[in-house]
Amino acid sequence: KAGVTQTPRYLIKTRGQQVTLSCSPISGHRSVSWYQQTPGQGLQFLFEYFSETQRNKGNFPGRFSGRQFSNSRSEMNVSTLELGDSALYLCASSSDNQETQYFGPGTRLLVL
Amino acid sequence: GDSVTQMEGPVTLSEEAFLTINCTYTATGYPSLFWYVQYPGEGLQLLLKATKADDKGSNKGFEATYRKETTSFHLEKGSVQVSDSAVYFCAGGAGGTSYGKLTFGQGTILTVHP
Repeated sequence: KAGVTQTPRYLIKTRGQQVTLSCSPISGHRSVSWYQQTPGQGLQFLFEYFSETQRNKGNFPGRFSGRQFSNSRSEMNVSTLELGDSALYLCASSSDNQETQYFGPGTRLLVL
Repeated sequence: GDSVTQMEGPVTLSEEAFLTINCTYTATGYPSLFWYVQYPGEGLQLLLKATKADDKGSNKGFEATYRKETTSFHLEKGSVQVSDSAVYFCAGGAGGTSYGKLTFGQGTILTVHP
């Protein structure tokens, strides 16, 4: 099976812009989780989607949002970018009712 | 809330040395526990897991045992290789209605010299 894929791999944006990141889960996986990884804060949970519904959300401001499509692909959006949003954004998928998550390579976002 | 604590790094070893990276967790109940590895410029790869107390996860010479009494999940390898150089993360699942959320430790950088 193909693994989790994320596009784009790298992005450079300026403050105030918005960005959309995409994630395609492993075939058959309906749960998609998103994480932000920074040197200072480590890995932090953003949100999780299952069957097009957000089931869980971490402690991030409303500028961070996401959605999931009927084919389980997921997108996350960050509006009004701030310098502190520079990070590696990781997507992970898992099969139904399983806690084991499989991660994609990440999207590295740089906000200037 | 749930938390995972890993030993401070970085850890520097010579090839064929013994490796231990400590991990302890605090959670309500007994979550599944995981070790992930991250190579430079890549995402996280699942290294091993354990879903209940006294389970031992193992993969590629790495082992970790889920110790309920000490709430620990220490990673060990008997003989490390240069190719093991990476960042290692301990993580716990939250279970229950905390869907899709893993709580990660801060990561331990391992460098292995020839």
